[in-house]
Amino acid sequence: ETGVTQTPRHLVMGMTNKKSLKCEQHLGHNAMYWYKQSAKKPLELMFVYSLEERVENNSVPSRFSPECPNSSHLFLHLHTLQPEDSALYLCASSQDRGILGQRTDTQYFGPGTRLTVL
Amino acid sequence: AQSVAQPEDQVNVAEGNPLTVKCTYSVSGNPYLFWYVQYPNRGLQFLLKYITGDNLVKGSYGFEAEFNKSQTSFHLKKPSALVSDSALYFCAVSGGDSSYKLIFGSGTRLLVRP
Repeated sequence: ETGVTQTPRHLVMGMTNKKSLKCEQHLGHNAMYWYKQSAKKPLELMFVYSLEERVENNSVPSRFSPECPNSSHLFLHLHTLQPEDSALYLCASSQDRGILGQRTDTQYFGPGTRLTVL
Repeated sequence: AQSVAQPEDQVNVAEGNPLTVKCTYSVSGNPYLFWYVQYPNRGLQFLLKYITGDNLVKGSYGFEAEFNKSQTSFHLKKPSALVSDSALYFCAVSGGDSSYKLIFGSGTRLLVRP
């Protein structure tokens, strides 16, 4: 898990707070992802960045705001969250092959941030 | 649309016995198929993948998976289960028109009893 790191590992916040999740990958990859994992639900893809540009946003509420300043770092800014947003937020990275490859290859995941919204 | 099904919420097996965790998929074109494992309070760890070539893929920790195109399946197997294999297992597929996505199954909890 040292290839992709996430901080903090645990976060408790009120609905009026603003916080940020951080992800860093040390694998030299050029694509990064945010997933939400809730109890009894499949993994939900939230955002995809390839070459630091957002290429997918799966209808995520605007209270979640991603930022990808470079290919190694990814942030998820949180504000005015709801209790139902409590979940494990996972970051992943992969080597995007672009047009030639057409497929995402293996994604490597961080340990996640366990978020609790009170 | 692409989809992955893991029909069993939980699989129970005795230590030392063989285990199988089932996965079927639906995707246009040739799929890339993956298995991941998740231990409590941890992220997903990559186990193995099939892209092309030999239908039997060997991965980490003694796991293997068999790609069956006619049955659109990619079942995870291990000849002899260990108690430490107890975890949540996810099958995933990429392909079709969603090239950036890994479509994950709902997960199967494997419980290996001593």
